[in-house]
Amino acid sequence: GAVVSQHPSWVICKSGTSVKIECRSLDFQATTMFWYRQFPKQSLMLMATSNEGSKATYEQGVEKDKFLINHASLTLSTLTVTSAHPEDSSFYICSASDRTGETQYFGPGTRLLVL
Amino acid sequence: DAKTTQPPSMDCAEGRAANLPCNHSTISGNEYVYWYRQIHSQGPQYIIHGLKNNETNEMASLIITEDRKSSTLILPHATLRDTAVYYCIVRVANSGGYQKVTFGTGTKLQVIP
Repeated sequence: GAVVSQHPSWVICKSGTSVKIECRSLDFQATTMFWYRQFPKQSLMLMATSNEGSKATYEQGVEKDKFLINHASLTLSTLTVTSAHPEDSSFYICSASDRTGETQYFGPGTRLLVL
Repeated sequence: DAKTTQPPSMDCAEGRAANLPCNHSTISGNEYVYWYRQIHSQGPQYIIHGLKNNETNEMASLIITEDRKSSTLILPHATLRDTAVYYCIVRVANSGGYQKVTFGTGTKLQVIP
């Protein structure tokens, strides 16, 4: 299957700083990538759909000015958590569809801890 | 996407087959059944998917009822490493890859030594 990577795998930052998370499709091109967030003991919640070369589409209740998404190439999407606060501490996961579009593959996730 | 219903948890003895059920009574004709699993602190892992025929791969088998209103994921010989939350998802598969995946609460499978 297709491989999706994320970097970093974990990050600790101070409240008020910004954190950038990268999502890469390693062996395929993805015009669309998705960003999810998962709080402890909860299921994954979709945050936004990242479209190459255009603006991201955010789910209801997700602040687009706080969670900046850039999908500048067919293999890279970035999520920047701006002015992070402790309540933003979570597990962030990205996914991308392979060429057929039939299957989505997920990255290993990035654990963010805001102090 | 059609809604799915799964039992919240199941136990399975190591080495035995694990049968995980999923109900999707409102599935549409063009929606596939997908299974993913999430091992603790990792991203979801794709397992298998199907439309109407039963499917098998190196990881598992997927049995879909004739009316497509329910399905069963079978792990033929469960190991301790199969302990995870298993998600059953139904969605349209298209060439554009634009269809997002919506997760329910899944089934927490505990494989017991």
